[in-house]
Amino acid sequence: GNSVTQMEGPVTLSEEAFLTINCTYTATGYPSLFWYVQYPGEGLQLLLKATKADDKGSNKGFEATYRKETTSFHLEKGSVQVSDSAVYFCALSRAGANSKLTFGKGITLSVRP
Amino acid sequence: DTGVSQDPRHKITKRGQNVTFRCDPISEHNRLYWYRQTLGQGPEFLTYFQNEAQLEKSRLLSDRFSAERPKGSFSTLEIQRTEQGDSAMYLCASSSPDRANTEAFFGQGTRLTVV
Repeated sequence: GNSVTQMEGPVTLSEEAFLTINCTYTATGYPSLFWYVQYPGEGLQLLLKATKADDKGSNKGFEATYRKETTSFHLEKGSVQVSDSAVYFCALSRAGANSKLTFGKGITLSVRP
Repeated sequence: DTGVSQDPRHKITKRGQNVTFRCDPISEHNRLYWYRQTLGQGPEFLTYFQNEAQLEKSRLLSDRFSAERPKGSFSTLEIQRTEQGDSAMYLCASSSPDRANTEAFFGQGTRLTVV
């Protein structure tokens, strides 16, 4: 079946540090890949996505590249801000009628001033 | 458009009681999903509706769980004879019928505590 594995957390960084959050996946076929973010007290929001190999998703300074050869979709940001503190979830969906999402466990990012 | 709304936001119930949650999706979205999220885990898929038809149910959805989407608009998730293991955040999401844009929009969830 489909699965998503995220690196263990939590992660604590100083403002302006470089961020990498690892995500690998197992799926048959060619899934779409997503990063969702959950800010404190809010619902899940789509941060970025990529729908085919070598696609790069980007938003709010975050980037992730769909690497089929390594089955990875690592999230990166060059300079984090305190406002980036949140829980980040990597997810995939298989192409098909229902597009249900399979999530990783999530990782909590705390950015200190 | 106010996004996906869920009601109630919090529910505390005694073991053995029945509970019902409601989800109002974004108005033009015909796809609706229920997920469950426990502490320290990512959301897990429970069930999917396209319009009023329930097209897929996870094995996580035991016989005590039932979901409906009458008229293809709002949806309800009922849990009968609640157990402590049912304590979780229940999330609803909806997405557009546009196959080129399948982004799922999530509600803020209903947090269930079974005591």
